[in-house]
Amino acid sequence: EVQLVQSGAEVKQPGTTMKISCKVSGYTFSDRYMHWVKQAPGKGLEWMGLVDPEDGETEYAEKFRGRVTMVADTSTDTVYMELSGLRSEDTAVYYCATGWARHFMDVWGKGSTVTVSS
Amino acid sequence: QSALTQPASVSGSPGQSITISCTGTSSDIGSYNLVSWYQQHPGKAPKLMIYEDTKRPSGVSNRFSGSKSGYTASLTISGLQPEDEADYYCCSYAHTRTWVFGGGTILTVL
Repeated sequence: EVQLVQSGAEVKQPGTTMKISCKVSGYTFSDRYMHWVKQAPGKGLEWMGLVDPEDGETEYAEKFRGRVTMVADTSTDTVYMELSGLRSEDTAVYYCATGWARHFMDVWGKGSTVTVSS
Repeated sequence: QSALTQPASVSGSPGQSITISCTGTSSDIGSYNLVSWYQQHPGKAPKLMIYEDTKRPSGVSNRFSGSKSGYTASLTISGLQPEDEADYYCCSYAHTRTWVFGGGTILTVL
């Protein structure tokens, strides 16, 4: 069974950097793509980016380019998403979601809640 | 890349059919057969319901179906059941090697 286990909730100060992890199990790490999706409180889903664990290739939404980094660690079967320059608008639940093809996400993590507050 | 356009809400009675539309542009829905649909219950992670415009993943009820015409994709739910009440999001691949979600539709089962 494909499973994604995300890191726990965090409170971060404005201007700092958050790093969320997503550990996978139940499949060969390099066989599936990993997306990251943001959901602000009471808002819809927002695509942030994609990493291909096979070669580390990334694609980022224009809105987050320059602030986001997604990395796949093949030694631990874990994908990381780092977002810098945090501001209050970054308060959200962040999901990792995987698919055996690039263009859809058939298994989702439970989400990691990040609160940005001073 | 702008979000795809969905109605804010739809409703229907048990047993009825409803359709949720998702309108994009020539840069996304109009150029690729890569629309997916997700169901999200409150406090839960989204669940894939339809991919590649019309395909249904294993385990998803055949009451859910997808279609597309031009720049508009649609999700139809037939034989509405109380457990279908949820938020629904469409998503499409876009020209710029990115993906874009719709704003979401709240489905109420009356």
